[in-house]
Amino acid sequence: ETGVTQTPRHLVMGMTNKKSLKCEQHLGHNAMYWYKQSAKKPLELMFVYNFKEQTENNSVPSRFSPECPNSSHLFLHLHTLQPEDSALYLCASSRDRTDTQYFGPGTRLTVL
Amino acid sequence: AQSVTQPDIHITVSEGASLELRCNYSYGATPYLFWYVQSPGQGLQLLLKYFSGDTLVQGIKGFEAEFKRSQSSFNLRKPSVHWSDAAEYFCAVAYSYNNNDMRFGAGTRLTVKP
Repeated sequence: ETGVTQTPRHLVMGMTNKKSLKCEQHLGHNAMYWYKQSAKKPLELMFVYNFKEQTENNSVPSRFSPECPNSSHLFLHLHTLQPEDSALYLCASSRDRTDTQYFGPGTRLTVL
Repeated sequence: AQSVTQPDIHITVSEGASLELRCNYSYGATPYLFWYVQSPGQGLQLLLKYFSGDTLVQGIKGFEAEFKRSQSSFNLRKPSVHWSDAAEYFCAVAYSYNNNDMRFGAGTRLTVKP
């Protein structure tokens, strides 16, 4: 039990759909992260939120839109995705930006 | 360029045998070093980390890692592998005391034979 949950666990969507990924942490942490994990490639940091403020955006295309309404919840809104966006999307949280990250189980996204 | 390399994509060992997973980094100063494990269908879990001090670091589940500055390496070891250790292992390097700067290797998949 990592204390970080992600829903849905699996998602299949067409290129014209709009969907959202949800992450929730029950650890009282203040920093939350979105990562993309593609096959045979290193984990890529996408976004970082610290105390609900976005502090990092690693040149992520605008078809990915994050939202952090409070320190416990993080969303990733998806629209007009491409097949190459198919990947495992991992959420993580940490007490602050220097502390150990705890990861959720991920959402396996397939874009048709 | 700053990078993290895990030379072995896939390793197979017999249960009870010893294990060493390799990790090399490219960076001018001493980085912060981590090993994570990812079991199928789960997120990453921190095994151990090195910030400073003793270069031999003990982690959870019987794992240890040794930082060797001269070789720019941080190899993960376990003296006796259990079938439950089958998973993907990721080395990560942070170039400042900030998770924003963390870089991950591509991973090594470990298979354990009975």
